[in-house]
Amino acid sequence: QMQLVQSGAEVTKPGASVKVSCKASANTFTSYYVHWVRQAPGQGLEWMGIINPSGGSTSFSQKFKGRVTMTRDTSTSTIYMELSSLTSEDTAVYYCARVTATRAFDIWGHGTMVTVSS
Amino acid sequence: QSALTQPASVSGSPGQSITISCTGTSSDIGDYNYVSWYQQHPVKAPKLMIYDVSNRPSGVSNRFSGSKSGNTASLTISGLQTEDEADYYCSSYTSSSAQVFGTGTKVTVL
Repeated sequence: QMQLVQSGAEVTKPGASVKVSCKASANTFTSYYVHWVRQAPGQGLEWMGIINPSGGSTSFSQKFKGRVTMTRDTSTSTIYMELSSLTSEDTAVYYCARVTATRAFDIWGHGTMVTVSS
Repeated sequence: QSALTQPASVSGSPGQSITISCTGTSSDIGDYNYVSWYQQHPVKAPKLMIYDVSNRPSGVSNRFSGSKSGNTASLTISGLQTEDEADYYCSSYTSSSAQVFGTGTKVTVL
């Protein structure tokens, strides 16, 4: 079964950017859309956006438009999420998740902790 | 897009049944059968428990069931067990081609 392996924890400063990676283990990489979801400490899940690994098209939550970029590298089966102009409110665990045809998140990465602190 | 509304906490004794509600609008739950439910234990990634309102993925116990009426979806856990103690989130596809999650419910097994 496909697995999603994410990059390690990041500590960064306010105003900076962070780029998190999500590598798919299977060669079905281009067959499923991938979403990014974040969870601030002690808070709920928050949807950030989606990327089509096949064509690279993206769609973002209104909250993150202008601040988030999602890209993919088909040669390495890796999805990237970059968030800019970071503030302390962006401190969270960031998950990538594969979505089925009926919009259910069936496979999740292990999460990447991003800490924004001066 | 506002988060779907869930009760903050629900509790029950072992063996009992509990139901978690998830209220949205006619632009999400009310308009699509793309409602899913997730279980999350502390410091773990969420796990898919129900998809398409009432379907269980392979390997998920049949003690978990889902339903929907109008703008409200529900997750029922029957025969409550200690390992069911976790946070639960609903999610729905929306008319703006986005996804929205619920506020989350903490289930406590007494």
